[in-house]
Amino acid sequence: TQLLEQSPQFLSIQEGENLTVYCNSSSVFSSLQWYRQEPGEGPVLLVTVVTGGEVKKLKRLTFQFGDARKDSSLHITAAQPGDTGLYLCAGVAEYGNKLVFGAGTILRVKS
Amino acid sequence: NAGVTQTPKFRVLKTGQSMTLLCAQDMNHEYMYWYRQDPGMGLRLIHYSVGEGTTAKGEVPDGYNVSRLKKQNFLLGLESAAPSQTSVYFCASSHSVGVYNEQFFGPGTRLTVL
Repeated sequence: TQLLEQSPQFLSIQEGENLTVYCNSSSVFSSLQWYRQEPGEGPVLLVTVVTGGEVKKLKRLTFQFGDARKDSSLHITAAQPGDTGLYLCAGVAEYGNKLVFGAGTILRVKS
Repeated sequence: NAGVTQTPKFRVLKTGQSMTLLCAQDMNHEYMYWYRQDPGMGLRLIHYSVGEGTTAKGEVPDGYNVSRLKKQNFLLGLESAAPSQTSVYFCASSHSVGVYNEQFFGPGTRLTVL
């Protein structure tokens, strides 16, 4: 069974601070996705990273896929209250058509 | 274009009762999924479908059944609800599988079993 571990589980920071969320596994994934979920809603896809070592930027968010395709990170620069939510990483199994989700990181940005 | 919709939004059941959750998508996606989300456990796959008339078991299928009679609909049934099935249920759909298995989620159904 492929597992994804996210850390930290919970993060509470002040507006303007930077933060990094990690997603780690002992298994190789074909690709890794990051979703954001707000209370009472379903997850919404932010990005998909496919190639080992790939870096993608989405405004203040930077996503990186590890060289060995076993881990990923999400870095937010100058966090804003609108970034508050649950961040989930999800891996596409190397031999499958399903997603494996991490347990998520709850981010709270205080103004 | 509503995307993925789920009904009902909330439901309270007594132990042993049955119910059906309905998921509908208007994006003509082949692939549909049912997940449950519990605190600290992320999303766990219950059942999924790779096309009309097909279903397959996911990670936690026990106590649930599904049907995909029409391409746009995916139904999740609980025949005899148990308190352990108290959870938030999400339906998702995707256009393709493989590295770009990018899933679109519904708003969820919050189910409480007493």
